[in-house]
Amino acid sequence: ETGVTQSPTHLIKTRGQQVTLRCSSQSGHNTVSWYQQALGQGPQFIFQYYREEENGRGNFPPRFSGLQFPNYSSELNVNALELDDSALYLCASSSPSAYNEQFFGPGTRLTVL
Amino acid sequence: AQSVTQPDIHITVSEGASLELRCNYSYGATPYLFWYVQSPGQGLQLLLKYFSGDTLVQGIKGFEAEFKRSQSSFNLRKPSVHWSDAAEYFCAVGAYGNEKLTFGTGTRLTIIP
Repeated sequence: ETGVTQSPTHLIKTRGQQVTLRCSSQSGHNTVSWYQQALGQGPQFIFQYYREEENGRGNFPPRFSGLQFPNYSSELNVNALELDDSALYLCASSSPSAYNEQFFGPGTRLTVL
Repeated sequence: AQSVTQPDIHITVSEGASLELRCNYSYGATPYLFWYVQSPGQGLQLLLKYFSGDTLVQGIKGFEAEFKRSQSSFNLRKPSVHWSDAAEYFCAVGAYGNEKLTFGTGTRLTIIP
């Protein structure tokens, strides 16, 4: 069974640029959630995708957007990067019947200069 | 709105000593509760979960947690810690039909010889 994978591992961007992060869900999971973890903080929910539709969103501006593909993999896109967007971005996959039990990938470390 | 409080930012324990990490949650309905562990620069690994039934749940790596509804708590325990337990520990709350997990700010565990 393949776990959740994310790419890239690390990324450095400058303010104002755009970035795309990628996530492959665990086998058998059709739901993907994205979280932002700032240094020294707990993860904050960005949004969730279920069957290619957004299924809930946290308190993040519209410049944070996402996609889910038919194979249940997902992308997180962030436009007009700001310094405060520097964080570890975590992807988690789950099955709707699994009581919201989410399995996390290793994360993508984004640094905005 | 759901919330999680982990009152201890940093705990230091001697190897072989017992451990208890505190977690208090706020949620109007029946919560699903989770403990995750995160090693430096890594993603989150699920230690244990509570959905319903027996309020004492067993997890991986010798950890257990007890759900106390009257105290809105879900404290994590381990009878004897090992040096490899040094990490950041996060408590999280979710619920049926609620797509997101809400995390606490974490407790950093240091193990001394």
